[in-house]
Amino acid sequence: GQNIDQPTEMTATEGAIVQINCTYQTSGFNGLFWYQQHAGEAPTFLSYNVLDGLEEKGRFSSFLSRSKGYSYLLLKELQMKDSASYLCAVTTDSWGKFQFGAGTQVVVTP
Amino acid sequence: NAGVMQNPRHLVRRRGQEARLRCSPMKGHSHVYWYRQLPEEGLKFMVYLQKENIIDESGMPKERFSAEFPKEGPSILRIQQVVRGDSAAYFCASSPRLAGGPGEQYFGPGTRLTVT
Repeated sequence: GQNIDQPTEMTATEGAIVQINCTYQTSGFNGLFWYQQHAGEAPTFLSYNVLDGLEEKGRFSSFLSRSKGYSYLLLKELQMKDSASYLCAVTTDSWGKFQFGAGTQVVVTP
Repeated sequence: NAGVMQNPRHLVRRRGQEARLRCSPMKGHSHVYWYRQLPEEGLKFMVYLQKENIIDESGMPKERFSAEFPKEGPSILRIQQVVRGDSAAYFCASSPRLAGGPGEQYFGPGTRLTVT
């Protein structure tokens, strides 16, 4: 079966760094996406990995290891507005059907 | 450039009524996806459509649910004879024409369906 796991909740202090892990077991792999979702709002795209390695985008970086079925999203210099749910999504075919993890709720404290 | 539009944003239906959810993709996007998000759960894929075609409906319940994306107009997700368990947020996403792999999907604001 298909399985995408990520921690339920993480708490960190403003200005700190937080790493959200995502492990996946899927039949096939064609890319991994990270989305941010604030409560009651639509998910917004953060990053995309299809090859092994690190993708950096400002304060956010995402890493992928296909052999380990593992990714992480790194959030640096945390701000209060980063408090949100972070969703890991895997595509297994070329047209982009997403399978989402349950999301990791990040709480940023002052 | 308008984003993905969904309406209504909130919909209340009594058990047994029909719910119609509309989604207008971003301009130039020909791929539409519908997802359902139950309270405290992740997004679950329902259906993937291109204009006038259902490409993958493997996530759709076999009964009462249908979707279309006509040549003109928005994509419609239709739920007949709604039950309490249909209460959820329904998100539509669109993606541009694929070239060599999946592109990121842009999500609409969602329709929150409440069945009383």
